[in-house]
Amino acid sequence: QMQLVESGGGVVQPGGSLRLSCEASGFILTTCGMHWVRQAPGKGLEWVAFIRYDGSNQYYGESMKGRFTISRDKSNNTLYLQMNSLRAEDTAVYYCARDPYYYDSSATPGNWFDPWGQGTLVTVSS
Amino acid sequence: NFVLTQPHSVSESPGKTVTISCTRSSGSIASNYVQWYQQRPGNSPTTVIYENDQRPSGVPDRFSGSIDSSSNSASLTISGLRTEDEADYYCQSYDSSNQVFGEGTKLTVL
Repeated sequence: QMQLVESGGGVVQPGGSLRLSCEASGFILTTCGMHWVRQAPGKGLEWVAFIRYDGSNQYYGESMKGRFTISRDKSNNTLYLQMNSLRAEDTAVYYCARDPYYYDSSATPGNWFDPWGQGTLVTVSS
Repeated sequence: NFVLTQPHSVSESPGKTVTISCTRSSGSIASNYVQWYQQRPGNSPTTVIYENDQRPSGVPDRFSGSIDSSSNSASLTISGLRTEDEADYYCQSYDSSNQVFGEGTKLTVL
């Protein structure tokens, strides 16, 4: 059974940094792409970032470019999101999600999202 | 970038059928698959339709999806509504550089 467990959320001041983790079980990260998606309180879903199954390409949502970095560690089957220069509008629950297509080499930022983790809350406030 | 537009909310009675639309602002709706996610309050999203009209195992056949090129839109139809269908529903698609979610539709079953 595939499972994703996020951690690393918390309260951070504007301009600060935070690294989120997403531990995968039931499948190997290097076989499929992975996403981060966020949801501000009471708002809809916003795609954050995608990393291809082989790590060769990363894609980012427009407001995340230059501030966020998606990466993964094969040795511990964990996905990461490094977030720098955080702003109040980055306050959200951050979900990681698997892209269901195995070994997909198409030139797109992934396909869709399944399964999702339970999310971790990031609050940017002074 | 394109936008996916959904109605903010819909409501219907138990046992009835409801359809939620998702209109793509630019580019063809048929150019990339459309997915639909259900999110109950306090929970993570789950997939109810993928690749326009496919149902994951475990999703009842009361849920169905389709696309219409003439209106450049996708639709999620839920028949035989149950109270547990009450949730937010999001459509999603992508292009060569972005993943896009619709703003979400709150379904009330009253």
